[in-house]
Amino acid sequence: DADVTQTPRNRITKTGKRIMLECSQTKGHDRMYWYRQDPGLGLQLIYYSFDVKDINKGEISDGYSVSRQAQAKFSLSLESAIPNQTALYFCATSDPRDYDEQFFGPGTRLTVL
Amino acid sequence: DQQVKQNSPSLSVQEGRISILNCDYTNSMFDYFLWYKKYPAEGPTFLISISSIKDKNEDGRFTVFLNKSAKHLSLHIVPSQPGDSAVYFCAASAESNYQLIWGAGTKLIIKP
Repeated sequence: DADVTQTPRNRITKTGKRIMLECSQTKGHDRMYWYRQDPGLGLQLIYYSFDVKDINKGEISDGYSVSRQAQAKFSLSLESAIPNQTALYFCATSDPRDYDEQFFGPGTRLTVL
Repeated sequence: DQQVKQNSPSLSVQEGRISILNCDYTNSMFDYFLWYKKYPAEGPTFLISISSIKDKNEDGRFTVFLNKSAKHLSLHIVPSQPGDSAVYFCAASAESNYQLIWGAGTKLIIKP
């Protein structure tokens, strides 16, 4: 079984809809991250969490919110989706003793019409 | 302003030859650099890293070189194999900031 899973893998939605992307991990890592990737660009950090009670904004947090329900679960919400949020979204985890090596989920492809 | 740049969107190399992927950065506070590899429909996977106190790190067929004065690093793959065909991302971080800053990636194609 995969160590980092994301659901759904693909989602098409309409402008103005609320969307939640979910991430679960079995690696036992405290640190979790949400990234988005746009064509021709690198990954951009949306939010990160160093433990259940610690949530931090990344480079591009506007229009997004997150919830860390447990050590193993970190969800990303788009409160009112807009077309320029169409992108590939990745969840990642890392061990604080080796924080720079991040382990990624397979990604969620989100299309906002 | 992109702090980490990979100026070659794609690179084509003959199987068995050396692949050299390049990455430039602008932030002198970066002290740790990583390379990730990504296959289609999968998330990136860690490949190799280097600390700013070193100028070279080797792991099997993969070697990363760091030139701090030029703010440049490169990934060498020798010999290149078909399974190396993927997108390679360069990323950097500063000890004072846990965020990774990513380049746009280089698509490596290994020709048979």
